[in-house]
Amino acid sequence: QQPVQSPQAVILREGEDAVINCSSSKALYSVHWYRQKHGEAPVFLMILLKGGEQKGHDKISASFNEKKQQSSLYLTASQLSYSGTYFCGTERTSYDKVIFGPGTSLSVIP
Amino acid sequence: GAVVSQHPSRVICKSGTSVKIECRSLDFQATTMFWYRQFPKQSLMLMATSNEGSKATYEQGVEKDKFLINHASLTLSTLTVTSAHPEDSSFYICSAPGDRDGEAFFGQGTRLTVV
Repeated sequence: QQPVQSPQAVILREGEDAVINCSSSKALYSVHWYRQKHGEAPVFLMILLKGGEQKGHDKISASFNEKKQQSSLYLTASQLSYSGTYFCGTERTSYDKVIFGPGTSLSVIP
Repeated sequence: GAVVSQHPSRVICKSGTSVKIECRSLDFQATTMFWYRQFPKQSLMLMATSNEGSKATYEQGVEKDKFLINHASLTLSTLTVTSAHPEDSSFYICSAPGDRDGEAFFGQGTRLTVV
């Protein structure tokens, strides 16, 4: 079952922050986050495995609330290079297929 | 990190012909490969799962006879789009599951255009 993402689209000015949410109606083993630029393959951002886990690198971080089956991706002090479509992907078990959400289009403008 | 090499990156074919897309795991053995399709401005939709040495598992609504998947070895999985039609034009991408705590490794994707 496809996870739900919100918002569908967001426009930011450079330096602003954004939060992208992902939720599932099923229990999850992991949540993946990817960014895809137009015409390119998705690029891995991070994977979260444990309930309440938080991860981050640079100014992009994410949290995973296992009990609520929700994950959020946090982008702080956005840069132009952050523009793209962000997908969350969920696994119900280890080594399982990753089911992707519908995506969130993020546009960062000067 | 692990690399999945996908070829070709772009292909244009005539309606009615078949096209083969290859995904190779370059520095690891991929016993499983996931095949996704992505239409413009849409998400990646799982088509099928290939497993080395056994038949592929197809998602609901995906025609097995049209999208032939072969997992010939631990490093090669192929998707053949048979009797392609313009509506098959899409971005096809493969992915191998990572280690227990790791990412899924994607190929570069194949842009198929059927004319």
